[in-house]
Amino acid sequence: EFVLTQSPVTLSLSPGERATLSCRASQTSNSRYFAWYQQRPGQAPRLLIYGASNRATGIPDRFSGSGSGTDFTLTISRLEPEDFAVYYCQQHDDSPPVHTFGQGTKLEIK
Amino acid sequence: EVQLVESGGGLVQPGGSLRLSCAASGLTVSGHHMNWVRQAPGKGLEWVSAIHSGGSVYYADSVKGRFTISRDNPENTLYIEMKRLTAEDTAVYYCARDRAGDGFAAFDIWGQGTMVTV
Repeated sequence: EFVLTQSPVTLSLSPGERATLSCRASQTSNSRYFAWYQQRPGQAPRLLIYGASNRATGIPDRFSGSGSGTDFTLTISRLEPEDFAVYYCQQHDDSPPVHTFGQGTKLEIK
Repeated sequence: EVQLVESGGGLVQPGGSLRLSCAASGLTVSGHHMNWVRQAPGKGLEWVSAIHSGGSVYYADSVKGRFTISRDNPENTLYIEMKRLTAEDTAVYYCARDRAGDGFAAFDIWGQGTMVTV
């Protein structure tokens, strides 16, 4: 069973600061199948990053993704007020074709 | 505009059944891998089921044998039939498109969700 562990659970920062969110996989992950999502309260999740490092359409360049193997990182270079939300990582497994989400990191205003 | 709109949620008794719909516009459901993802109140995201463009279906262990995913091509609508519901199935249910097709896998289009309370 594929498990994704996100850290920290909660991250308290101020607007303008840099945020670094981590996601560790229980087994080696295919980077092409790794993604990050943002979810604001009361809204559906929004795709931020796919293929570990590719920004989705319309995502500002302050969001970046990196990593490979079992360790992946989402970086927000300068936090804007609208960035305070919950962030999820996701991995797709081919055999069988299932998707796994991390438990989420809540990014809150300090 | 590409849009997914879920419907069919509501209050159901334990052991009961419910069918959720996801109407698509701006994309063809049968041409993509389509998914259901749920989120229990105050909890994280849980993948539930997928139907691939070729028709193959897949389920999370937590719903296998109780939920059935399907699609209606003329209606361009995705469904999930849920049976033997328990309190653990209480959640917002989202449909989502997998952008698979260019070698990547990620859910790039989501509906607004429909709430199921058991």
